[in-house]
Amino acid sequence: EDKVVQSPLSLVVHEGDTVTLNCSYEVTNFRSLLWYKQEKKAPTFLFMLTSSGIEKKSGRLSSILDKKELFSILNITATQTGDSAVYLCAVRPNTGNQFYFGTGTSLTVIP
Amino acid sequence: DVKVTQSSRYLVKRTGEKVFLECVQDMDHENMFWYRQDPGLGLRLIYFSYDVKMKEKGDIPEGYSVSREKKERFSLILESASTNQTSMYLCASRADINSPLHFGNGTRLTVT
Repeated sequence: EDKVVQSPLSLVVHEGDTVTLNCSYEVTNFRSLLWYKQEKKAPTFLFMLTSSGIEKKSGRLSSILDKKELFSILNITATQTGDSAVYLCAVRPNTGNQFYFGTGTSLTVIP
Repeated sequence: DVKVTQSSRYLVKRTGEKVFLECVQDMDHENMFWYRQDPGLGLRLIYFSYDVKMKEKGDIPEGYSVSREKKERFSLILESASTNQTSMYLCASRADINSPLHFGNGTRLTVT
């Protein structure tokens, strides 16, 4: 059965800390892995990863994929209170139209 | 920027009512999706539409139907709402098979 597991479930850090969020997957015929940020509304797209070892970066956020070990990490450096959100990981297989979502990591950044 | 608009942020309905959730996207995307999001379960696909009048069942279609009469609009219908359909409903669209999903703000439905 295809599945996506995120860890930790929740995390509380202080402003300025660096955090690492994990996403592991077991999906047949992998195509891509996506990260989303969800505040109290629509999940917003962060990154899409298709190749191992190539880091995607946007400001203080970065992500990398390991297709051999079947996981991805999302790093956030110098965290700010505006980073507080649920971070979702999703995996897209090559066949069908399904995206398999993890249950998310809830990040709280304390001033 | 892609805009996906869901008609209601919050809805409260009674058991047995017929409920319509509306979603409109403004980017001429062919693919549209309805998910529900529940604590501890993540996002689960209810229905997917790949073109006007074309649809596929997702993982949890029971108790739901959909309508796609125009490309920009995808409606989710609860024929007879039940309390176990209380949830956050998210609509999404994408441009093509290699594109990410773009989500609406969600509709939090409570069935009493």
